[in-house]
Amino acid sequence: ETGVTQTPRHLVMGMTNKKSLKCEQHLGHNAMYWYKQSAKKPLELMFVYSLEERVENNSVPSRFSPECPNSSHLFLHLHTLQPEDSALYLCASSQFFAGDGQETQYFGPGTRLLVL
Amino acid sequence: AQTVTQSQPEMSVQEAETVTLSCTYDTSESDYYLFWYKQPPSRQMILVIRQEAYKQQNATENRFSVNFQKAAKSFSLKISDSQLGDAAMYFCAYSGGGADGLTFGKGTHLIIQP
Repeated sequence: ETGVTQTPRHLVMGMTNKKSLKCEQHLGHNAMYWYKQSAKKPLELMFVYSLEERVENNSVPSRFSPECPNSSHLFLHLHTLQPEDSALYLCASSQFFAGDGQETQYFGPGTRLLVL
Repeated sequence: AQTVTQSQPEMSVQEAETVTLSCTYDTSESDYYLFWYKQPPSRQMILVIRQEAYKQQNATENRFSVNFQKAAKSFSLKISDSQLGDAAMYFCAYSGGGADGLTFGKGTHLIIQP
């Protein structure tokens, strides 16, 4: 695998379910991100992990719980979601403080989530 | 907080013609990065071009070039010799650098007429 991969690509869950989204980057980067893309809103930054530590949490409800066990993997744990949480969830990675051009974020294909 | 504005929800261009997508942004920083990403129907977000604010020279990547006006806080994307494969949503994005998240505009839907 190359680049940034995300699994599953599609997920349907009920409001009482617990599920997890997985992201893996094969680029040797040291920062990873979760974004939410809804039909009616611009892409929204949810979480940032740098060197496996969370450095940003953009007022995201606690029903979303991120986890970064190492620099290559990022998870988004979901529980008791609401229908308005249905969206495309995008993962990205970058290499910060690496010099010119290296701070670009590269995205995975996304997980399309539907909450019933 | 930084904001990014794309004022054109949709643009249409004939194949082989040139089209320019507009983007303005607001920041109080002097050092930052600007990006154009393309999102085709597959939903994969693909980097088109990148500009570092400290560089005066406009970035170019093959048929894609930008017009970066730092004082005006403007960052437009020019696509030359438009091809059917260029049809997609185009997003302008801002980053303060480091592990800063991206701030995106609402996007411009580009239609290529054969």
